[in-house]
Amino acid sequence: QVQLQESGPGLVKPSETLSLTCTVSGGSVNSNYYWSWVRQPPGKGLEWIGYIYFSGGTNYDPSLKSRVTISLDTSKNQFSLRLSSVTAADTAVYYCARGASGYSPYYMDVWGKGTTVTVSS
Amino acid sequence: DIQMTQSPSSLSASVGDRVTITCRASQGISKYLAWLQQKPGRPPKSLIYDASTLQSGVPSRFTGSGYGTDFTLTISSLQPEDFATYYCQHYYTYPITFGQGTRLEIK
Repeated sequence: QVQLQESGPGLVKPSETLSLTCTVSGGSVNSNYYWSWVRQPPGKGLEWIGYIYFSGGTNYDPSLKSRVTISLDTSKNQFSLRLSSVTAADTAVYYCARGASGYSPYYMDVWGKGTTVTVSS
Repeated sequence: DIQMTQSPSSLSASVGDRVTITCRASQGISKYLAWLQQKPGRPPKSLIYDASTLQSGVPSRFTGSGYGTDFTLTISSLQPEDFATYYCQHYYTYPITFGQGTRLEIK
């Protein structure tokens, strides 16, 4: 059974870059899935950030596209999120998730537990 | 972007009640709608995909229906563990978007 686990700093200063990693266990990132990031600001709903496909292709939400990079590290069975020039509006719980096989676009069938990132000086 | 609008935003009900949550898309999305359940402090959990297909392990008291722009999630007989927030999500095109959520509370 595939499991996802987010990791990274819980506190980031304004204007700096947020970096998170999702470690995949029980499966391989080098398989036919869309590896995704979703965030949830405090007390608010879910926001799709983007994905990386196992072949390396990416797609990002237009509102974040200029600041987001999602990458894949098959040697570590991980994928990562980088969000630059952060502000307080980027404070959220960040989830990594797997897009269901055979769908593009996709629904997310496996989720990590989430990690809280606060942007503050 | 396709906007997803859920109603109601919150709902109070009792154990054993039948409840229905509605999700409307700003344009047609065929059958490409998912429903997720989220409990406080927990990640979302996939309940239904393709508008009406239950994920493995999801109780049969959950039913999804709809096509095009209008969709519903029905819980036939509420159980204590069903009190949570429910989100719809379309996957018709990019960007993927979610509804604002419906909070289901105990009356």
